[in-house]
Amino acid sequence: SQTIHQWPATLVQPVGSPLSLECTVEGTSNPNLYWYRQAAGRGLQLLFYSVGIGQISSEVPQNLSASRPQDRQFILSSKKLLLSDSGFYLCAWSAPTNEQFFGPGTRLTVL
Amino acid sequence: QKEVEQNSGPLSVPEGAIASLNCTYSDRGSQSFFWYRQYSGKSPELIMSIYSNGDKEDGRFTAQLNKASQYVSLLIRDSQPSDSATYLCAVSGPHSGAGSYQLTFGKGTKLSVIP
Repeated sequence: SQTIHQWPATLVQPVGSPLSLECTVEGTSNPNLYWYRQAAGRGLQLLFYSVGIGQISSEVPQNLSASRPQDRQFILSSKKLLLSDSGFYLCAWSAPTNEQFFGPGTRLTVL
Repeated sequence: QKEVEQNSGPLSVPEGAIASLNCTYSDRGSQSFFWYRQYSGKSPELIMSIYSNGDKEDGRFTAQLNKASQYVSLLIRDSQPSDSATYLCAVSGPHSGAGSYQLTFGKGTKLSVIP
C-alpha cells in the first residue's frame, strides 16, 4: 500500500529565515505530487504540482519554490519566510484516477 | 475563478440521525467530485469520490451528484460522535490535461454529532 511522509511535523521559524519541507511517497511509481497550504479560516490552497522529476507547475505567485529531485520526493522551500507564510502545509499524491491522498502535514509558525 | 461553496456550519445533529452536507461549484466543466473528512489538527482524509450523476453509497456514507444543478451532497446515516469533523468538498476539471490535476476545495462544513 502507498504511504506518504512529511517532515518536520511542526516548525517555528523567525521572519526572514529559510525553509525546507520534505515529502516522500512509498509504494507507488511516477505519482503526481502536490503542495497545499491551509491557513487559519481559509480553504486549502494549491501551491505547486508536479507530474514528473524536475517538472513543477506553480499555481500562486509567492516567495515559495518547489523541487522534485527524485520520483517520489517533493520539496518545498523558501529563501526568506514572511509572517503570511504561516499555515498548515500539506503534501499530496495522486495516481491517474486523480484521487488525491494527503500526508500528515507540517504546521509552520513564522514569528 | 473556479469556486466551491459550502455552508461553514457548525452543523449539529444528534447521534443516530442523518447528517446532510451540501456543496455547490461554479465550473460546469468539472468532472470529478470528492469528499474529505478533516479532524481538528489533522490532514484531510478522502472518504468518497463520485464522477457521474446520481447516488453512490459506501457504508454509512452516500454521495449525491447533480451536474445540471452543479450540486454535490454527502449524507451520513446513523451519525456517530466520531463523525464530528470538518468535511471538505473538492472538485476537479476534465479527466485529462492540466486541469485534471487541480482540486478546488471548499472551506468546509464543521459537523458536530451530539451524543
